[in-house]
Amino acid sequence: NAGVTQTPKFRILKIGQSMTLQCTQDMNHNYMYWYRQDPGMGLKLIYYSVGAGITDKGEVPNGYNVSRSTTEDFPLRLELAAPSQTSVYFCASSPGQDYNEQFFGPGTRLTVL
Amino acid sequence: GQNIDQPTEMTATEGAIVQINCTYQTSGFNGLFWYQQHAGEAPTFLSYNVLDGLEEKGRFSSFLSRSKGYSYLLLKELQMKDSASYLCAVMDSNYQLIWGAGTKLIIKP
Repeated sequence: NAGVTQTPKFRILKIGQSMTLQCTQDMNHNYMYWYRQDPGMGLKLIYYSVGAGITDKGEVPNGYNVSRSTTEDFPLRLELAAPSQTSVYFCASSPGQDYNEQFFGPGTRLTVL
Repeated sequence: GQNIDQPTEMTATEGAIVQINCTYQTSGFNGLFWYQQHAGEAPTFLSYNVLDGLEEKGRFSSFLSRSKGYSYLLLKELQMKDSASYLCAVMDSNYQLIWGAGTKLIIKP
C-alpha cells in the first residue's frame, strides 16, 4: 500500500494563477480531508468528504474547491491564487470519522508570489 | 470559540523524561489525539484518548482529564529521533479535528 500520495511536492504560483493539488489514497477509506498548515499555527481544515460524491466545507474554504468522483481521489483546486494561500497543504484519509486516526500524505509546499 | 493550547517549544536531554501539556476548550468532545511531526514531514498518529486516565504505548503515554480539559503526552527514555513537533488535536461535536499549534521538542545529547 502506498497510503496517501500527493502531487506535486513543491509549486510556485504567480498571483491570479490556478492549479490543482492531487491526492490519492489506496486504503479504501471513505473519509478524506484537506488541511493547510501555516508556520506557528495549527492545521486548518479546508474541505472534507465522507464518501464519493459528497463534500463539505471546513473552517477555511474560501478560495478553494474540491470534488470527489471516486473513493480514491480528492483533488483540491485553487482559483485565482493569492499570497495568503502560501502554505503547506496536507491531504488525509480515515476509515471512519469518530475514533479513527487520520493518515496523512507527504504534503505540498505552495508559494504564491 | 474553540481553542487548543500547548507550549511552543520545550528542551530535554537524551535519556530523560518530558511531559508535554495540552489544554482545550471545544464545542463538544469526541476524543483527543496526539500526533508527531518531524520537520518537513507529515503528521503521524501517536495516541488517542476518549476516557479519563492514562494510555501507555511503549515509551509514550498519554493522559486525559475531561473535567479539566487537559491532556499530557509523556515521553520516556528520550532519543535524538524524538526531536519533532508534537500536535494535540481534539475531535469536536461535528467530528472535526481542532488542532493546537504544536510543541517543538528539542533533544540535547
